[in-house]
Amino acid sequence: DVKVTQSSRYLVKRTGEKVFLECVQDMDHENMFWYRQDPGLGLRLIYFSYDVKMKEKGDIPEGYSVSREKKERFSLILESASTNQTSMYLCASSEHRGFGTEAFFGQGTRLTVV
Amino acid sequence: AQTVTQSQPEMSVQEAETVTLSCTYDTSENNYYLFWYKQPPSRQMILVIRQEAYKQQNATENRFSVNFQKAAKSFSLKISDSQLGDTAMYFCAFMITGTASKLTFGTGTRLQVTL
Repeated sequence: DVKVTQSSRYLVKRTGEKVFLECVQDMDHENMFWYRQDPGLGLRLIYFSYDVKMKEKGDIPEGYSVSREKKERFSLILESASTNQTSMYLCASSEHRGFGTEAFFGQGTRLTVV
Repeated sequence: AQTVTQSQPEMSVQEAETVTLSCTYDTSENNYYLFWYKQPPSRQMILVIRQEAYKQQNATENRFSVNFQKAAKSFSLKISDSQLGDTAMYFCAFMITGTASKLTFGTGTRLQVTL
């Protein structure tokens, strides 16, 4: 079975801290994604990557950056956490490009910025 | 830009009954995929069903089926013989062919299955 693992289920950080959310997948997928989930807004794409060291902005990249040094790992970075970044963060991976392949998700990290 | 609309924030159905969740989308593309994902209280998002836009036949997976109306840009999910384990958030999602598999999601419908 495909497994996407996020490093934390719950995280509490202070305003202004640098925050790292880590995601690892074990199926050699080319594509990896970071989504943010908020009530009433659904899932919104922050960043995605279709290859090592490649990254592209999604719909809401402001305040975030990403890193993909290895194929299996995709990190989301909040350079200076703010309270409006309190949310659920979901990592996903999929194989190939644009052929309707299934995305596999991690269990999410609920981040609270105080 | 593509948009996905789910107009039912919450729904409730009794066990063993049938329920239909609505989804509409807007796109100028002709080649795309549509999905329904389920997120139970455990938060683990899983794929329920997938539809390829070029296929006229509606997709079916056991108790789950879709009504895909391409001209109307409608993609509803029907759950038959509802079970308590179907209680979850359901998200409709859209993917354009050839765009690195990016998904655009709707806002979700929270489904509660009751005894």
